[in-house]
Amino acid sequence: QKEVEQNSGPLSVPEGAIASLNCTYSDRGSQSFFWYRQYSGKSPELIMFIYSNGDKEDGRFTAQLNKASQYVSLLIRDSQPSDSATYLCAVKGAAGNKLTFGGGTRVLVKP
Amino acid sequence: DVKVTQSSRYLVKRTGEKVFLECVQDMDHENMFWYRQDPGLGLRLIYFSYDVKMKEKGDIPEGYSVSREKKERFSLILESASTNQTSMYLCASYRAMVNYGYTFGSGTRLTVV
Repeated sequence: QKEVEQNSGPLSVPEGAIASLNCTYSDRGSQSFFWYRQYSGKSPELIMFIYSNGDKEDGRFTAQLNKASQYVSLLIRDSQPSDSATYLCAVKGAAGNKLTFGGGTRVLVKP
Repeated sequence: DVKVTQSSRYLVKRTGEKVFLECVQDMDHENMFWYRQDPGLGLRLIYFSYDVKMKEKGDIPEGYSVSREKKERFSLILESASTNQTSMYLCASYRAMVNYGYTFGSGTRLTVV
């Protein structure tokens, strides 16, 4: 079982709709959770981080964390074609400074 | 903003060559990492370093070595390049106490022919 799992997609959403991405993790002691966006041929860029249970909003992005169920999600509201990218979930475990990455979910926003 | 700079965007090397990939960060981060990224395999950790002269193996260290002589610089070395090392190589740095996640460099696409 992978430590951090994501549906690889592609997740196809119409422009203006909400894209919902999910990520589950196996280390129950994990403390910090990150979402990265990666455009094709580019390096990942951090878009959200969350440490506490509940929701965290930043512009059109909302991260949701449920530690009891060991999942973290990302909502993209009013999706735009420029949101078409691969979204990587990353988790920092209880020990050490490494992030463990999921395989990424590819999102396609269709005009 | 933290800058993580990788010396080359694209590299083409021959099988058997010794290859050096350089990474420099400008924000005094303790932690630095080298990943490779391949389609369908995601990000795989090669080596990481918590401090100067310290290094630890990641998940796929075979065929690679690293050097961290200065805090800002972390070098990845392919001792004898092989075609299966053709990949996108990503460097990242991270300050643990701040915990804002990794900052990645722009990547080096290495082709071994």
